[in-house]
Amino acid sequence: GEDVEQSLFLSVREGDSSVINCTYTDSSSTYLYWYKQEPGAGLQLLTYIFSNMDMKQDQRLTVLLNKKDKHLSLRIADTQTGDSAIYFCAEKQPGGYNKLIFGAGTRLAVHP
Amino acid sequence: SAVISQKPSRDICQRGTSLTIQCQVDSQVTMMFWYRQQPGQSLTLIATANQGSEATYESGFVIDKFPISRPNLTFSTLTVSNMSPEDSSIYLCSVGVVFKYNNEQFFGPGTRLTVL
Repeated sequence: GEDVEQSLFLSVREGDSSVINCTYTDSSSTYLYWYKQEPGAGLQLLTYIFSNMDMKQDQRLTVLLNKKDKHLSLRIADTQTGDSAIYFCAEKQPGGYNKLIFGAGTRLAVHP
Repeated sequence: SAVISQKPSRDICQRGTSLTIQCQVDSQVTMMFWYRQQPGQSLTLIATANQGSEATYESGFVIDKFPISRPNLTFSTLTVSNMSPEDSSIYLCSVGVVFKYNNEQFFGPGTRLTVL
């Protein structure tokens, strides 16, 4: 079945690293995505990883993929107050359909 | 990448009325998608809109309630018909940009709908 799960809330101190975790159930997923949603705004694509990779780094963002455990994580280095937002994990179903299944979102709060 | 705009950005409507939401993309795309985000919830796919064919609806969504048009490769509309307060949500347009092993999915800013 299709299910993506995330913890709902994470609080970190400014300057620390944040790690947001996600688990998914469909082992045939081809791409996994991380989106950021700030209050009152749409979804911003942060990064994504192809299923044959186990790590992807883009500036302060590091994505780790453990296909065996169906676990995805997003690490934000040197977290800033501007990183406060809801982060959604999503998996793409295989084939050309391009349907995304989203997790419930993790609310990241960054405090001084 | 793709830049997506939506109109209106927000609206307050009376129950029983209909609202048409427009989605414009700055490049030609094959597939466009409409998602719904209910208050405090995650995103759920309503339908896939392909140019030149009928939209494909997900379970729980029907064409009579959410008719979709896709007249060309850069534009689509979603109508929310005979609205009730349960339709109060953010409606987001999305497109996929696929190139070799890259598959990027971009979202518009959303249309925030409140039904009284």
